[in-house]
Amino acid sequence: QQQVKQSPQSLIVQKGGIPIINCAYENTAFDYFPWYQQFPGKGPALLIAIRPDVSEKKEGRFTISFNKSAKQFSLHIMDSQPGDSATYFCAAGGGSQGNLIFGKGTKLSVKP
Amino acid sequence: NAGVTQTPKFRVLKTGQSMTLLCAQDMNHEYMYWYRQDPGMGLRLIHYSVGEGTTAKGEVPDGYNVSRLKKQNFLLGLESAAPSQTSVYFCASSLSGIAPYGYTFGSGTRLTVV
Repeated sequence: QQQVKQSPQSLIVQKGGIPIINCAYENTAFDYFPWYQQFPGKGPALLIAIRPDVSEKKEGRFTISFNKSAKQFSLHIMDSQPGDSATYFCAAGGGSQGNLIFGKGTKLSVKP
Repeated sequence: NAGVTQTPKFRVLKTGQSMTLLCAQDMNHEYMYWYRQDPGMGLRLIHYSVGEGTTAKGEVPDGYNVSRLKKQNFLLGLESAAPSQTSVYFCASSLSGIAPYGYTFGSGTRLTVV
């Protein structure tokens, strides 16, 4: 069964801290690894994504680190702010069907 | 820019009732998906479509049916609602099935079955 395992389930950091969310996958055919951000009452929104041909991608304060051999990838949020408080989902996909397999989510709370 | 629009936003059903959730997208996307979101379970794929007139089962299809008669619309039906179908339902669409293929999600439908 294709799975994406995400940890931790919840995370509390102080403003300015660097929360790290980790994901692991099993299927080596996956070739696309996005992260989604979801605020309460809203749908998930694409935050940042990476392909397996690079080991790191940065967009603003958000960084994805990718370890192909370990089949793991992680999201780092630099200088976290209370406005970053949300639920974050990692996902993995591959093949022409376009189906993304989502992790179970991490609820991040950034304290002022 | 409407993006992906879901109707209704909230609904309460009695066990055994039926209903249809409507998803409409105005981005000319080929692929559309229905997910359900439950606490601690993440997003689970119910059904999806790779183009007008096509549908396929996802991870949790039992108790649901779908139709994609028009490219812009993807309907999710519950023929006989059960309390286990209490959830938040999200529709999403994507331009293609080839990476990078970001999903655009709707704002969700919160369904309660009593």
